[in-house]
Amino acid sequence: NAGVTQTPKFQVLKTGQSMTLQCAQDMNHEYMSWYRQDPGMGLRLIHYSVGAGITDQGEVPNGYNVSRSTTEDFPLRLLSAAPSQTSVYFCASRAGPRNTEAFFGQGTRLTVV
Amino acid sequence: RKEVEQDPGPFNVPEGATVAFNCTYSNSASQSFFWYRQDCRKEPKLLMSVYSSGNEDGRFTAQLNRASQYISLLIRDSKLSDSATYLCVVNRNYGQNFVFGPGTRLSVLP
Repeated sequence: NAGVTQTPKFQVLKTGQSMTLQCAQDMNHEYMSWYRQDPGMGLRLIHYSVGAGITDQGEVPNGYNVSRSTTEDFPLRLLSAAPSQTSVYFCASRAGPRNTEAFFGQGTRLTVV
Repeated sequence: RKEVEQDPGPFNVPEGATVAFNCTYSNSASQSFFWYRQDCRKEPKLLMSVYSSGNEDGRFTAQLNRASQYISLLIRDSKLSDSATYLCVVNRNYGQNFVFGPGTRLSVLP
């Protein structure tokens, strides 16, 4: 069972470059989200989606875009990378809103130099 | 003040010890509560949900006090494999917003 698949696992970008982090899930989950994890900060919500065609901003959305054209895929785009975006990024999915388990991808370690 | 706060840790305990983690949350509208476990350089995984009546899963016991906005996790008879970071997670209003605490790191020593 694949679950939530994120690519790439590691990435180094130069300041100002753009890139897309890929996230796919095969569990037919409606809810998908992107988090970043920084030391001492916990996971912070960047953007989320409650279904295909529906996205919304989380706690720290600036500098990132998302789209949800299918139930399975939820890519995260960095528009113009900055050193402050150096972090570990996790994609997560869950079936619905009430008391359901969130399944995470393995994470993408991004360094912006 | 962070919405979800946890013991800063780290906790270093010998095998077989009992260890307790505390978590407080500030949003009284929070509806559901979880403990997640995160191994070093890995993704978080659900350890257990936390119910109002308290719940137990083997060596792990979770308690919720809604009046005090406080959640706890007790681990009995600690194993080396329990070494990880434990994340307190709160879900506001049954929505998308899972709010994560910063985590408490546990090292179980031989």
